[in-house]
Amino acid sequence: AQKITQTQPGMFVQEKEAVTLDCTYDTSDPSYGLFWYKQPSSGEMIFLIYQGSYDQQNATEGRYSLNFQKARKSANLVISASQLGDSAMYFCAMRESSDRGSTLGRLYFGRGTQLTVWP
Amino acid sequence: DTGVSQNPRHKITKRGQNVTFRCDPISEHNRLYWYRQTLGQGPEFLTYFQNEAQLEKSRLLSDRFSAERPKGSFSTLEIQRTEQGDSAMYLCASSLGSGQETQYFGPGTRLLVL
Repeated sequence: AQKITQTQPGMFVQEKEAVTLDCTYDTSDPSYGLFWYKQPSSGEMIFLIYQGSYDQQNATEGRYSLNFQKARKSANLVISASQLGDSAMYFCAMRESSDRGSTLGRLYFGRGTQLTVWP
Repeated sequence: DTGVSQNPRHKITKRGQNVTFRCDPISEHNRLYWYRQTLGQGPEFLTYFQNEAQLEKSRLLSDRFSAERPKGSFSTLEIQRTEQGDSAMYLCASSLGSGQETQYFGPGTRLLVL
């Protein structure tokens, strides 16, 4: 089974509007972390935002916020006031923790959503 | 502020040749990760190091792949006897090494095997 599912291959939004990128995850670990990365056409993965499974409040970083619904296992990224420079591929990722409490290394990524912002 | 750097940025090689990529992590980071990304997919984990120790390896890392981090600083990823299926973006990331730390990625090395 996929650990991270991003169901939107592509999304379009007009400049200055808000957009939500969907992400659902699958894990049986009680402790895990969820991440969003942006990948422009140049290829570099740029970290945007992090949400821990025990965090009580949704994470926010500037124009980015993470809509974390633990019971539904969803971690949607909301970008407010979209800019032309937001056009890129966006990846949701998860890291699980071992039952001993230490974190394992790997990130599991979804297939990404290509966001296009038009003027 | 020096981020993660990778060299070369692009590599074209013929099938059967060996290639080596280098990753320099952020200086105070003691964890280093390698991922592979093929067209239209998200990155897939290959391996990671805590200092010089290789702690986890993916089943994707066949016998033709070897990674090292000899002094706990930079790392190399070598692919022997390259195949066309090895064509991909190879991404390196680093993190501090404790707790739920964030992984910061380098610009990647694009490999094309002809």
